[in-house]
Amino acid sequence: SQQGEEDPQALSIQEGENATMNCSYKTSINNLQWYRQNSGRGLVHLILIRSNEREKHSGRLRVTLDTSKKSSSLLITASRAADTASYFCATDEGAAGNKLTFGGGTRVLVKP
Amino acid sequence: DSGVTQTPKHLITATGQRVTLRCSPRSGDLSVYWYQQSLDQGLQFLIQYYNGEERAKGNILERFSAQQFPDLHSELNLSSLELGDSALYFCASSVGLSGDNYGYTFGSGTRLTVV
Repeated sequence: SQQGEEDPQALSIQEGENATMNCSYKTSINNLQWYRQNSGRGLVHLILIRSNEREKHSGRLRVTLDTSKKSSSLLITASRAADTASYFCATDEGAAGNKLTFGGGTRVLVKP
Repeated sequence: DSGVTQTPKHLITATGQRVTLRCSPRSGDLSVYWYQQSLDQGLQFLIQYYNGEERAKGNILERFSAQQFPDLHSELNLSSLELGDSALYFCASSVGLSGDNYGYTFGSGTRLTVV
């Protein structure tokens, strides 16, 4: 079963615009991670935010976490055509389960 | 190259057959995880091994089994294959028991097609 629900399921933007996607989850977590997957290829780890953190930045990526609402958001600023991919949030429950539980993903298309 | 190596990249086989997928974790990583990605189920955790021992189990069918060898590479065995087993199978590795500190490193996957 999937822990996270991502919204929107698909997103189409112009190059240079910002892309925002949201993730909601159900149980208590140790951390939440975001991954990128180019069409049919491997998952690339983007960023990890711990349950006691509220915001984290990495380059053009900004992740927020609201544990009271059990939700997270990923913002990609100044998007590029190369950002076209599917983005997945994944929750790590830590000691409760040494595994990631993935959401359904958001397909992002950045048009040049 | 993520450092996690999966072979083969593609596999086509018939229903009822058995296949073995192989994963070599990133150097220094002791944990190996197997995930299945299909259109209808999304990304599902199958099983985790840490330093040769099974540590966590997810939605893994009884027809599937895995092991981790002393050199830390892992194999996922899928038997009595059905059409619904067609999917992308990912291996991931982490330094410790979980990816809490540094996340998980994924391989590029094995695409299994059952015909």
